[in-house]
Amino acid sequence: NAGVTQTPKFRVLKTGQSMTLLCAQDMNHEYMYWYRQDPGMGLRLIHYSVGEGTTAKGEVPDGYNVSRLKKQNFLLGLESAAPSQTSVYFCASSYMTGQSEAFFGQGTRLTVV
Amino acid sequence: AQKVTQAQTEISVVEKEDVTLDCVYETRDTTYYLFWYKQPPSGELVFLIRRNSFDEQNEISGRYSWNFQKSTSSFNFTITASQVVDSAVYFCALRAGGSYIPTFGRGTSLIVHP
Repeated sequence: NAGVTQTPKFRVLKTGQSMTLLCAQDMNHEYMYWYRQDPGMGLRLIHYSVGEGTTAKGEVPDGYNVSRLKKQNFLLGLESAAPSQTSVYFCASSYMTGQSEAFFGQGTRLTVV
Repeated sequence: AQKVTQAQTEISVVEKEDVTLDCVYETRDTTYYLFWYKQPPSGELVFLIRRNSFDEQNEISGRYSWNFQKSTSSFNFTITASQVVDSAVYFCALRAGGSYIPTFGRGTSLIVHP
């Protein structure tokens, strides 16, 4: 049982380049999330999805886009990377019920130079 | 809006000391869920415990215990006889509101010295 899988695990981008982070879950969870973790800032929600074909903005959505074409996948895109997007990115998923804990991927460490 | 405050940024203790990590939450909802997660140096996030708003019973699991008090909107986490392996960042989280999107605190970094 793989749980939540993120790819890639590490990436270095040059300013202005684009990339897509892939998140896949095999638990049939309705909800999926993208967070970024920065020192002293905790986990901040970028975008989330409450179901296939739906997405919504979180706390820090600027500079990112997402898509959820299939229930098991949630993609995070950076169209034109900036140094401020250097961070560790976590994907997570959960059941829609409030009592469900979030299951996290292993994280993607992204550096924008 | 939902909010979680972990006022302690970093706590440093010596092994075998007891330590309490504070978590204060804000929500207008009467039904909500509180969580603690652990992030060890390896980086993954591990679920520790959940509590719903209708259950104020304290919980103990080995050296870990949790104190949920609705009167003070707090959900504190105590580690008894801390060990080096407890060194990690600990996050408190809240699921509330109609869609129950999780809100995390900024985390408390616990360093346990041998």
